[in-house]
Amino acid sequence: DADVTQTPRNRITKTGKRIMLECSQTKGHDRMYWYRQDPGLGLRLIYYSFDVKDINKGEISDGYSVSRQAQAKFSLSLESAIPNQTALYFCATSDPGLVHEQFFGPGTRLTVL
Amino acid sequence: AQSVTQPDIHITVSEGASLELRCNYSYGATPYLFWYVQSPGQGLQLLLKYFSGDTLVQGIKGFEAEFKRSQSSFNLRKPSVHWSDAAEYFCAVGANNAGNMLTFGGGTRLMVKP
Repeated sequence: DADVTQTPRNRITKTGKRIMLECSQTKGHDRMYWYRQDPGLGLRLIYYSFDVKDINKGEISDGYSVSRQAQAKFSLSLESAIPNQTALYFCATSDPGLVHEQFFGPGTRLTVL
Repeated sequence: AQSVTQPDIHITVSEGASLELRCNYSYGATPYLFWYVQSPGQGLQLLLKYFSGDTLVQGIKGFEAEFKRSQSSFNLRKPSVHWSDAAEYFCAVGANNAGNMLTFGGGTRLMVKP
């Protein structure tokens, strides 16, 4: 079984809808991250969490919110989706003992019409 | 703040040919450097990493990379490319502070001709 899972894997929605992307991990890592990937721009950090009570904005947090329900779960929400949020979204985890190394889920491809 | 540039958006090589993907970083101190690969429909997989010591690092799948401080580069190489290497490759840099934060380059898409 995959260590970092994301659901759904693909989602098509309409402008203005609320969307939640979910991430679960079995690696036992405290640190979790949400990125979006756009062609030519690489991965950009949306939010990150160092533990259940610690949530931080990343480079491009506007229009997004997150919830850390447990050590193993970190959800990303788009309160009112817009077309320029169409992208590939990745969740990642890391352990402080493995300096900077992050482990990625398979991604969620989101299309906002 | 650190930054990463991958100058080549697309590269096409013939199967069996050698490969070099370029990565340049900007960071004031010694960085932590990574190469990740993203195969179609997959997440990112770590190929190799550099923290300190020997500037030539070996990774999985026959890849290697060389850290050159004077050129602020961390280029990825493979002596003989296989068709299964077709993927997108990302270089990333981590700053020497708390948080395990990574900054990614824009990626290089590798296509392999038969």
